Amino acid sequence: DVKVTQSSRYLVKRTGEKVFLECVQDMDHENMFWYRQDPGLGLRLIYFSYDVKMKEKGDIPEGYSVSREKKERFSLILESASTNQTSMYLCASRQALPGEQYFGPGTRLTVT
Amino acid sequence: DQQVKQNSPSLSVQEGRISILNCDYTNSMFDYFLWYKKYPAEGPTFLISISSIKDKNEDGRFTVFLNKSAKHLSLHIVPSQPGDSAVYFCAASATDYKLSFGAGTTVTVRA
Repeated sequence: DVKVTQSSRYLVKRTGEKVFLECVQDMDHENMFWYRQDPGLGLRLIYFSYDVKMKEKGDIPEGYSVSREKKERFSLILESASTNQTSMYLCASRQALPGEQYFGPGTRLTVT
Repeated sequence: DQQVKQNSPSLSVQEGRISILNCDYTNSMFDYFLWYKKYPAEGPTFLISISSIKDKNEDGRFTVFLNKSAKHLSLHIVPSQPGDSAVYFCAASATDYKLSFGAGTTVTVRA
């Protein structure tokens, strides 16, 4: 079974803090993704990586950056957290096109 | 601008009956479609997919239908079970790496 793990299930941070969300997959997948899920908006793609050290902006990259130094690990960074970044953050991985993406359990981030 | 739309935010169905979830898309370049199911406090899990070269795909109680001319797909769940109560997301991709998701439909199966 594919396993995608995320470093925290719940996180509370203050406005202006730098926040790191970590994601690890154990199936040697090429592609990795970060989404946020908000009510009424579904899942929106923040960034994705199709290979190590490669990254591409998704639909809502503003205020975020990513890092992928190793194949199994994809980090999402909030440079200066703001209250509008309070959300559920979901990481996913995929072996190759067109296959399905496998999701982690999510991190519920609250920025106060 | 959402390219994948699920216009029904919720659906209530009696146990044993059919659940029909609908999804519309606007991007004619989409060629692969998926349905995901999500329970609260968990990540989405893959349910079923369909390629644009097909118009139907079946997996147990789940069937997905694709109508390319109408840019419409649907998910049928027969028979519906209490464990099917969840949020269902429709997703679509073109020949790139990205998935576009709909806003989701919350299904409640009544005993």
